[in-house]
Amino acid sequence: QQQVKQSPQSLIVQKGGISIINCAYENTAFDYFPWYQQFPGKGPALLIAIRPDVSEKKEGRFTISFNKSAKQFSLHIMDSQPGDSASYFCAASIYNQGGKLIFGQGTELSVKP
Amino acid sequence: IAGITQAPTSQILAAGRRMTLRCTQDMRHNAMYWYRQDLGLGLRLIHYSNTAGTTGKGEVPDGYSVSRANTDDFPLTLASAVPSQTSVYFCASSPHRQGYNEQFFGPGTRLTVL
Repeated sequence: QQQVKQSPQSLIVQKGGISIINCAYENTAFDYFPWYQQFPGKGPALLIAIRPDVSEKKEGRFTISFNKSAKQFSLHIMDSQPGDSASYFCAASIYNQGGKLIFGQGTELSVKP
Repeated sequence: IAGITQAPTSQILAAGRRMTLRCTQDMRHNAMYWYRQDLGLGLRLIHYSNTAGTTGKGEVPDGYSVSRANTDDFPLTLASAVPSQTSVYFCASSPHRQGYNEQFFGPGTRLTVL
């Protein structure tokens, strides 16, 4: 049972375009939703995170949109650049459960010049 | 050392052999985690430790064991490796036991079980 479902599995975007990756979750107890970025041969690194008390969080070109009623959240990458080409993973966790993260399946993003 | 180190970088192992993946962090983080990464499945938590001396099971613990004798080290042992344990293994740490904490990942160990 996949508690966090991520789509699409792969995404190709032209330079300057908008990349959108979507995630959906089942467990309404989740209260922390981070996105991790992973370059080939490296470990994942935190990109941006949101808590359900806000509907949107923006950091530079990266924005998380959160829809609590639909149990969905998404990552938007504005003005996508070739350097953004990487794998992206959404995740969810519950505050009082030791910080354990449940990850989505991942999206491989390729930004074409 | 800065951050998290993992050893070995890669390993080819015969089925049935015992293997220990090593993980060391120098950030004095309380919590540490082991994940396996498989294509199409994302990262799945194997075991975790909220503080030295304690461990817990994650989503996919079967066939793996861990220990946390001190703050810095969190080894993962495969007692008798099977081909389905072929994967990339990542160790991670975070500062606190609970709450909204960034997890810092090591560079990973690529394990192939034949």
